[in-house]
Amino acid sequence: GENVEQHPSTLSVQEGDSAVIKCTYSDSASNYFPWYKQELGKRPQLIIDIRSNVGEKKDQRIAVTLNKTAKHFSLHITETQPEDSAVYFCAASITGFQKLVFGTGTRLLVSP
Amino acid sequence: GAVVSQHPSWVICKSGTSVKIECRSLDFQATTMFWYRQFPKQSLMLMATSNEGSKATYEQGVEKDKFLINHASLTLSTLTVTSAHPEDSSFYICSARDQRGTDTQYFGPGTRLTVL
Repeated sequence: GENVEQHPSTLSVQEGDSAVIKCTYSDSASNYFPWYKQELGKRPQLIIDIRSNVGEKKDQRIAVTLNKTAKHFSLHITETQPEDSAVYFCAASITGFQKLVFGTGTRLLVSP
Repeated sequence: GAVVSQHPSWVICKSGTSVKIECRSLDFQATTMFWYRQFPKQSLMLMATSNEGSKATYEQGVEKDKFLINHASLTLSTLTVTSAHPEDSSFYICSARDQRGTDTQYFGPGTRLTVL
């Protein structure tokens, strides 16, 4: 089955810096890759997603890139703010099979 | 749009009792809902996939007789933890997939279960 690895497990940056979180997946059939942000004790919230027919997608300060050949995808957050502090999870799935396989999470801390 | 609710938000019960958790899609119909378990500082572990009108599909290692799932309508799925034990204490989160066919899963706020 699919396996998703995520790095780093923790990431500390200064406000205004960029943050990059990387994930690799094992199943070449996976074609949908969402990123979720989870604040302590709250629900995961979708922040951006990408499908395998696209190499990059951007939404304001957040971007995701996908390298299908290498089977990895990354989340990029620019101009980080303290409210970006949270745990971020990547996930992968195969369209039609529905099941999401999550990475282990990255705890991002943005210091003022 | 795309709001998922869960009830209760937290519950404390005695060992040996059963607890039912409800997951509702409020503004869309969900043919498929998912139940996850999350331990502190860990990732989400899929327990089962719940399909409206049919039996749930459980992940390997999840006891179907202990975690009973019912998806009786397009907006409601329930998870019943039977004969709960302290090791069942966890954060249980559901998600729902819009039946209009997008891959996006929308998560409920979670239920914190503590078994004494």
